[in-house]
This record gives sequence, C-alpha cells and structure tokens, in this order.
Amino acid sequence: EAEVAQSPRYKITEKSQAVAFWCDPISGHATLYWYRQILGQGPELLVQFQDESVVDDSQLPKDRFSAERLKGVDSTLKIQPAELGDSAMYLCASSIGPTRGEKLFFGSGTQLSVL
Amino acid sequence: GQQLNQSPQSMFIQEGEDVSMNCTSSSIFNTWLWYKQDPGEGPVLLIALYKAGELTSNGRLTAQFGITRKDSFLNISASIPSDVGIYFCAGPSSGSARQLTFGSGTQLTVLP
Repeated sequence: EAEVAQSPRYKITEKSQAVAFWCDPISGHATLYWYRQILGQGPELLVQFQDESVVDDSQLPKDRFSAERLKGVDSTLKIQPAELGDSAMYLCASSIGPTRGEKLFFGSGTQLSVL
Repeated sequence: GQQLNQSPQSMFIQEGEDVSMNCTSSSIFNTWLWYKQDPGEGPVLLIALYKAGELTSNGRLTAQFGITRKDSFLNISASIPSDVGIYFCAGPSSGSARQLTFGSGTQLTVLP
C-alpha cells in the first residue's frame, strides 16, 4: 500500500539551530500539506501546496519557517532559527487534489525536540 | 475560524466494553471524518461521512453524521487492546482550499 514518507522520524536540536524535514507524498497526489501537532492537540495546518505552488501559508510563521515543493513532488519544511516553542510533531499529508482534500493520507511524522 | 469540540477528552474502559465519543461544531459541516492516531504515528482515516443522517460502519466502528450537520458520533463496539489511541474528528473548511480542521481528540485507553 502506498504511503507518505517522512524523514527523519526524530530530530533533537538546540535553539537557534536550523532544522529541515522531508516529505515524499503518495505518487500521483497533487496536494501536499504540512501540519504541526502539539502534544495533546489536533494537527494544525501550516502550509498547503497544489503541485509546486503554495495554496495557503497563512498559518506559517514566515519569519522562521519556509516550505518548498520545487518539482511538485517531494517537499521540504525548514525552521531557522528553531525556538523552544517549535517542539512538536510535524506531519506531512497528501491527497489526490483539493476537491477531495478531505481524504488526507498522513506520514508517520517527524518528532522535533528543541533544547 | 471553525472549531471542533470533542468529548470526552479521555476515556478509560475495560476490554470488551462499547465506547461512544462525539464531536460538535459551531458551524455546519458538509463532511465529517474520523481519524485514529497511534502513539508516534500519523493519523489514519477510519470513516468518512458525506450526508446528514448518514450512518457508516467500518468493522466494529460506526460513525454517524448528525442531522443538524453540526455534530458527529463515533462508536466502537467490543473494544480490544489495539483500539488504544487518540481519535480525532475533522471537517473541511468552507474556503476554496478545502483544508481540514481537526478536533482536539479523545484519548482512549483499554484496560485488560
């Protein structure tokens, strides 16, 4: 069964360092999402891509976060510099398209700890 | 923005018992989704509901789309240890981007 691949699974970093997360969506899925999940809460959307274009990044803290999906396939989410409050699970998800965006398939996530 | 309220926040039940949880919204949803998240993993879709009043089953799980379109319910019958996890309801935003809004989850613990 096709899966959304994410790496690394775990990342420990010190504050003010740069971190990057990678995601490879299910083949053929045009829409890609990055969510952040704080312990005890549901996932919250950071950014949504349709192919290589950003559809919505209104919740992305752009002073320190950036995301790209250059060829419309895999994607990278970067944080620079990391802050203590960035500790969370970062989840990537994909769907066939925005009209069926409600059926999201999630990766296993990257658990980030900022010390 | 849209908010989804889930209750209860957590549940401790004995193996074999039935479980009920619900999700309410301040606004109308046209789709309700139920996801389960195991520790250290991403959420996995359990059931999708597309019509008010709809009742859909997936094995021992049954979910209903409330007729007011502002709520949904998830029932698990004859719980087993692998039912442990966090159950999230979710619904798409009303905007054109069709993003999902998630509830805060119900943490289920099944005691042997």
